[in-house]
Amino acid sequence: RKEVEQDPGPFNVPEGATVAFNCTYSNSASQSFFWYRQDCRKEPKLLMSVYSSGNEDGRFTAQLNRASQYISLLIRDSKLSDSATYLCVVNPRGNEKLTFGTGTRLTIIP
Amino acid sequence: EPEVTQTPSHQVTQMGQEVILRCVPISNHLYFYWYRQILGQKVEFLVSFYNNEISEKSEIFDDQFSVERPDGSNFTLKIRSTKLEDSAMYFCASRLDNSPLHFGNGTRLTVT
Repeated sequence: RKEVEQDPGPFNVPEGATVAFNCTYSNSASQSFFWYRQDCRKEPKLLMSVYSSGNEDGRFTAQLNRASQYISLLIRDSKLSDSATYLCVVNPRGNEKLTFGTGTRLTIIP
Repeated sequence: EPEVTQTPSHQVTQMGQEVILRCVPISNHLYFYWYRQILGQKVEFLVSFYNNEISEKSEIFDDQFSVERPDGSNFTLKIRSTKLEDSAMYFCASRLDNSPLHFGNGTRLTVT
């Protein structure tokens, strides 16, 4: 099983729709979880951290399910500017490397 | 907002040549990283650096690679003898403690 696994997509979604991505991780002892977004040929940028109780930032909601070892990201009322690749990122042991999923490509269609 | 800066933005080199990629992490950060991303593939960990030494490295980070923090601000990645397969985007990143990584905007390395 891959350390961090995501559906690569692409997801083509009409503007205004709601879209959800899932990500699974293999190391049950993983401590920190993040969603990053990456635009074409740019650096990854932090979208949001994922907390155990779930958290929301505007149109974005992140959830963590430790029992099933998955993380989700929900985008409501999607905008054209949400088109990007969304990277699931896991910190396996604390203060060391982050492990990236392959990313899920999202295109918002006008 | 403080940023991680990387230079150059694009480096073209011939196979077998040495390259040095430069990074200035955010000034109060403690942990420094190099990642790379081959075109169309995922972001891959190369090396992490803490307290003036390598704390972890991946299988990619072989004897051809080295890192240095020569002064209080710069963090460099050296590839001694580049190969065609080293062509990729190289991202430097830093963080303070158990906080998210902040990435630089990358150096695109093209080996011909």
